[in-house]
Amino acid sequence: KQEVTQIPAALSVPEGENLVLNCSFTDSAIYNLQWFRQDPGKGLTSLLLIQSSQREQTSGRLNASLDKSSGRSTLYIAASQPGDSATYLCAVNSNSGYALNFGKGTSLLVTP
Amino acid sequence: SQTIHQWPATLVQPVGSPLSLECTVEGTSNPNLYWYRQAAGRGLQLLFYSVGIGQISSEVPQNLSASRPQDRQFILSSKKLLLSDSGFYLCAWNRDRGQETQYFGPGTRLLVL
Repeated sequence: KQEVTQIPAALSVPEGENLVLNCSFTDSAIYNLQWFRQDPGKGLTSLLLIQSSQREQTSGRLNASLDKSSGRSTLYIAASQPGDSATYLCAVNSNSGYALNFGKGTSLLVTP
Repeated sequence: SQTIHQWPATLVQPVGSPLSLECTVEGTSNPNLYWYRQAAGRGLQLLFYSVGIGQISSEVPQNLSASRPQDRQFILSSKKLLLSDSGFYLCAWNRDRGQETQYFGPGTRLLVL
């Protein structure tokens, strides 16, 4: 059974800092890994999707990496802004089923 | 463009009452459809998915059921709600489960008292 862990559970940084969120998973038989953003009381917004054959994906100030063999992914946010405050969720799409297996998320607060 | 709708947005129900949550997708055909639950302090958990009309797969045993009466409509139901059914219910869709992200709806917050 795929287990997804995110560290840290919560993070508070001043505006302008670069930061890294971590995700680890136990089964490397995956189609892809995805990062989502969730604002309080809202649905999920897809940020980045990395296919199993890829090493990284970039979108604006966001960069996600994938090391499938070690079961790790990182989400790098450059020059953080207060509007980046949200919960960031890592999800793994395993070969064995339709489910996205989610971590519990990292709650990010960027202070002005 | 495609959009996904869920209703109601919020629901407060007594224990033992029935439940019906609805999800519809516009702008696509034959999508894969998913129901997830997000309980307090826990990650999102897939409850049901459907690859076509009338085709429902359950990921976890529970008090809930799902139906897909039309191509772009997915319904989550219960005959008798339990306290443990409280949570945030999210519907999602995609077309290619291996290559494409899942697109999530705005969610329904359910409180069972």
